[in-house]
Amino acid sequence: GAVVSQHPSRVICKSGTSVKIECRSLDFQATTMFWYRQFPKQSLMLMATSNEGSKATYEQGVEKDKFLINHASLTLSTLTVTSAHPEDSSFYICSARDQGSSEKLFFGSGTQLSVL
Amino acid sequence: QKEVEQDPGPLSVPEGAIVSLNCTYSNSAFQYFMWYRQYSRKGPELLMYTYSSGNKEDGRFTAQVDKSSKYISLFIRDSQPSDSATYLCAMSGVRGSTLGRLYFGRGTQLTVWP
Repeated sequence: GAVVSQHPSRVICKSGTSVKIECRSLDFQATTMFWYRQFPKQSLMLMATSNEGSKATYEQGVEKDKFLINHASLTLSTLTVTSAHPEDSSFYICSARDQGSSEKLFFGSGTQLSVL
Repeated sequence: QKEVEQDPGPLSVPEGAIVSLNCTYSNSAFQYFMWYRQYSRKGPELLMYTYSSGNKEDGRFTAQVDKSSKYISLFIRDSQPSDSATYLCAMSGVRGSTLGRLYFGRGTQLTVWP
């Protein structure tokens, strides 16, 4: 299957700092990427849909000024958690849709964020 | 009512057992059905992908979709300890809010013991 690379896999930061997470599609072009958040033993919660060259679409309840998403190319999307707080600690996962197979999503390996 | 319902388990079976995982859904617009496997602290991995109703087999895995009952299943034959993971069902559709977005079940935690 298609490969989606996400890094860092784990990050620990202090409250008030910003953290950037990168998501790359390695062997295909992804016009659309998705960002999810997952709490322990829970399913994936869609945070936002990232479209190449346009503004991201955020789900209800997700602060767009706090979770900045940039999708500047067909293979790269970034999520920046700004002014992080301990309640932002979570597992963040990106996914990308293969243009050639529109309904299949391929996921990155996830980023565990811990805010102290 | 959630769009997709999935029993979270946990489910514990001996090695070699046949495992049955299921999801139900409420939105008749769903047309694409997927099963993902997720190991602890890893991203989900696509296991099976089906369109509309019917069966699909891939090695020890069989996916079934019954759209009339709004019910999908994943069967694992000859289960192995390496199958121990959380299994997520997901689905999307071709119109309205279901277009272009996946709706996930909560995931079922499976443990296969030797």
